[in-house]
Amino acid sequence: QQQVKQSPQSLIVQKGGISIINCAYENTAFDYFPWYQQFPGKGPALLIAIRPDVSEKKEGRFTISFNKSAKQFSLHIMDSQPGDSATYFCAASKGLNNNDMRFGAGTRLTVKP
Amino acid sequence: NAGVTQTPKFQVLKTGQSMTLQCAQDMNHNSMYWYRQDPGMGLRLIYYSASEGTTDKGEVPNGYNVSRLNKREFSLRLESAAPSQTSVYFCAGGLAVQYFGAGTRLSVL
Repeated sequence: QQQVKQSPQSLIVQKGGISIINCAYENTAFDYFPWYQQFPGKGPALLIAIRPDVSEKKEGRFTISFNKSAKQFSLHIMDSQPGDSATYFCAASKGLNNNDMRFGAGTRLTVKP
Repeated sequence: NAGVTQTPKFQVLKTGQSMTLQCAQDMNHNSMYWYRQDPGMGLRLIYYSASEGTTDKGEVPNGYNVSRLNKREFSLRLESAAPSQTSVYFCAGGLAVQYFGAGTRLSVL
């Protein structure tokens, strides 16, 4: 049973639109929440990460929103571009120095021109 | 500076055959990992190594063995491959930030 639940499984957005991917977790010991981006034929690469001491983190067009009480976090991609088309994974671990990271099932994002 | 290198990129096995997936990193990470990626399941941790000489089971270790040969190399062995092990395998290094290789696509017939 996955410890991090991710939705939707796939998402189609028009160029310039906002892409939103949601994740939820149960284990309150999780306190580090990264997002990874994966292009076809490549390995995942870290996109952005957040810790629960802040409710939002923004890097360029990418923003993580974090709701500790609801045990949910989400990735927002503003002004989505065709080059953002990829699979996105949320993840969680019990601290920055913990080896056991749990990933969500992934969201395949397609941004149409 | 190659980062994390995996070999081979593709492999087809018959049920019962054995093989070793190789992984090497040049980033001087203490921690290394093996994941498998399956549709609808995301990335699942098979084994990890927190430092040279140590290995620990992850979420789905059954049917696999690993060896942390030295700080650079971490191999994954399938002793008797089964069709359920058809997957894409990723090696990674790092801790808070994990750096992934390009993957090995394995089919077990």
